[in-house]
Amino acid sequence: DVKVTQSSRYLVKRTGEKVFLECVQDMDHENMFWYRQDPGLGLRLIYFSYDVKMKEKGDIPEGYSVSREKKERFSLILESASTNQTSMYLCASSSGRGGGVSYNEQFFGPGTRLTVL
Amino acid sequence: TQLLEQSPQFLSIQEGENLTVYCNSSSVFSSLQWYRQEPGEGPVLLVTVVTGGEVKKLKRLTFQFGDARKDSSLHITAAQPGDTGLYLCAGGPVPNFGNEKLTFGTGTRLTIIP
Repeated sequence: DVKVTQSSRYLVKRTGEKVFLECVQDMDHENMFWYRQDPGLGLRLIYFSYDVKMKEKGDIPEGYSVSREKKERFSLILESASTNQTSMYLCASSSGRGGGVSYNEQFFGPGTRLTVL
Repeated sequence: TQLLEQSPQFLSIQEGENLTVYCNSSSVFSSLQWYRQEPGEGPVLLVTVVTGGEVKKLKRLTFQFGDARKDSSLHITAAQPGDTGLYLCAGGPVPNFGNEKLTFGTGTRLTIIP
């Protein structure tokens, strides 16, 4: 089974702090994604990466950055946390190899519920 | 911009009843996936449909992809409390080379009352 793990289930930070959210997948997947999920707004893509050191902006990249130095690890960074970044953060990965519909199937981690005070 | 609208947004029914959830778009997708998310957890993939008109069954759940690959439905027979959760549909891009993002639907929050 694909396993995607996230470094914390719950995190409380103060406004202005630098926050790191870590995600690790163990299935040698090419693609990794960071989403945030808020009531009434659904799942929104922040950034994704289809290769080591490669990244693409999603729908809401402002206030976030990412790092992918190794294939299995994708980090989301909040440079200066703000209260409007309080949310559930979900990491996902997909195989992505060679195209084909099954390679888009995404496997999610359990999520990190971040509260910024 | 591709959009996927799900309906209804909320659904609360008694155990044992049947229900259908819809996922609609004006865009064509290469595939359509359904996920279920339980409170406090990440979404879990239930099924992928890839051919227009395709029907897949997963125990009491029946998934159908529209003929034109623009819409999908999820039908649950004899709903059980364990079916409670947020159901998300997601569309794969056209063309599909394997390194693109999915388009996620707005979600249907289903509650089955014992």
